[in-house]
Amino acid sequence: AQSVTQLGSHVSVSEGALVLLRCNYSSSVPPYLFWYVQYPNQGLQLLLKYTTGATLVKGINGFEAEFKKSETSFHLTKPSAHMSDAAEYFCAVTYTGGGNKLTFGTGTQLKVEL
Amino acid sequence: GAVVSQHPSRVICKSGTSVKIECRSLDFQATTMFWYRQFPKQSLMLMATSNEGSKATYEQGVEKDKFLINHASLTLSTLTVTSAHPEDSSFYICSAWSSGGGDTQYFGPGTRLTVL
Repeated sequence: AQSVTQLGSHVSVSEGALVLLRCNYSSSVPPYLFWYVQYPNQGLQLLLKYTTGATLVKGINGFEAEFKKSETSFHLTKPSAHMSDAAEYFCAVTYTGGGNKLTFGTGTQLKVEL
Repeated sequence: GAVVSQHPSRVICKSGTSVKIECRSLDFQATTMFWYRQFPKQSLMLMATSNEGSKATYEQGVEKDKFLINHASLTLSTLTVTSAHPEDSSFYICSAWSSGGGDTQYFGPGTRLTVL
């Protein structure tokens, strides 16, 4: 069974500051990991994903995440927050042979302040 | 990237009526479509997995007779909420996956259902 834990349901940063959203996973097989962003009353947009290969993955809007197997983590970062980054962020996991079923974390609401 | 649409975006209905929500993959053929439900301020919960031409697979606790899913073609899946009640009010989101598209699911914009 897989699970995803997102520490911090709410994160607040100042505009221009580093964004760090935490995600830890549990999987008995090599995971595929995803970060999605959701704006109010909208569906989910893929930010980035890790399947195999390079453990540091870059996504859209300046976001990146690093897969750390030893720490079972896939934290999302962005060097400099922008007001438009304010949204809900979901980490999700699946695995090869898992029927592409995604297991989502509970989400982190990012607030960006002036 | 791939585009998935949902229709309607919002629907309000009376208790006891049925509501159909459509999910379409616009520029690719979706081998599999997934239906999720999201309550306010909460995460997405998978309701069912829909494969073209076969019966949907429902997650534990989801009533298949209440949430009817049809995946008639490689670009269209429908979710019908039968005899809707206020507790069915929620945000319903579909996603589509293509066997030729790697590991990514593409999500629709969601449908806000309000049952009065």
